[in-house]
Amino acid sequence: DAKTTQPTSMDCAEGRAANLPCNHSTISGNEYVYWYRQIHSQGPQYIIHGLKNNETNEMASLIITEDRKSSTLILPHATLRDTAVYYCIVRSSNTGKLIFGQGTTLQVKP
Amino acid sequence: NAGVTQTPKFQVLKTGQSMTLQCAQDMNHEYMSWYRQDPGMGLRLIHYSVGAGITDQGEVPNGYNVSRSTTEDFPLRLLSAAPSQTSVYFCASSPYGGANTEAFFGQGTRLTVV
Repeated sequence: DAKTTQPTSMDCAEGRAANLPCNHSTISGNEYVYWYRQIHSQGPQYIIHGLKNNETNEMASLIITEDRKSSTLILPHATLRDTAVYYCIVRSSNTGKLIFGQGTTLQVKP
Repeated sequence: NAGVTQTPKFQVLKTGQSMTLQCAQDMNHEYMSWYRQDPGMGLRLIHYSVGAGITDQGEVPNGYNVSRSTTEDFPLRLLSAAPSQTSVYFCASSPYGGANTEAFFGQGTRLTVV
């Protein structure tokens, strides 16, 4: 299973875009990049996922580099409620396993 | 449609006791899994199942048993609880075992072993 590397913590001003990077240099061709977040030790919440094309939904955008070795999650207008731990995960098509790393603690400040 | 339901929400066990953490989903999902999360850490995969009758080990399976007799239920059994198993346990499900599907998580069971 490919591993991911994320910064331990980041700050973002309320109303600004939050850009969360993730490195997954050992990703293989059939593995997807997923992003989840966890607020106050609740169950993780799905945000977005992609294979190689950029993806956008009502919560966020996912930008995957052409070589697929890194990606960036973008929260376009961060609010205080976006303060959470964000996990970047590589998920195998073979097993379906979601293997979590340590995540990035995003603090959105007024 | 309740999603993924975990019971109990809180539990205190004495060392050596056994118990079963329950996980049920009403979305007809094939894929289910169990995680534990220790304070300040990410989630670690314990066991997972790609369908009824099929289970496999994750990253930290020791001390835990699972079975999958129905699509809806995926119980996690602690055979002889140890203080090291104090943790928050999360169950998750997704439509099938492939990678292009969202996984839904329950709200967790907070277990303390004294």
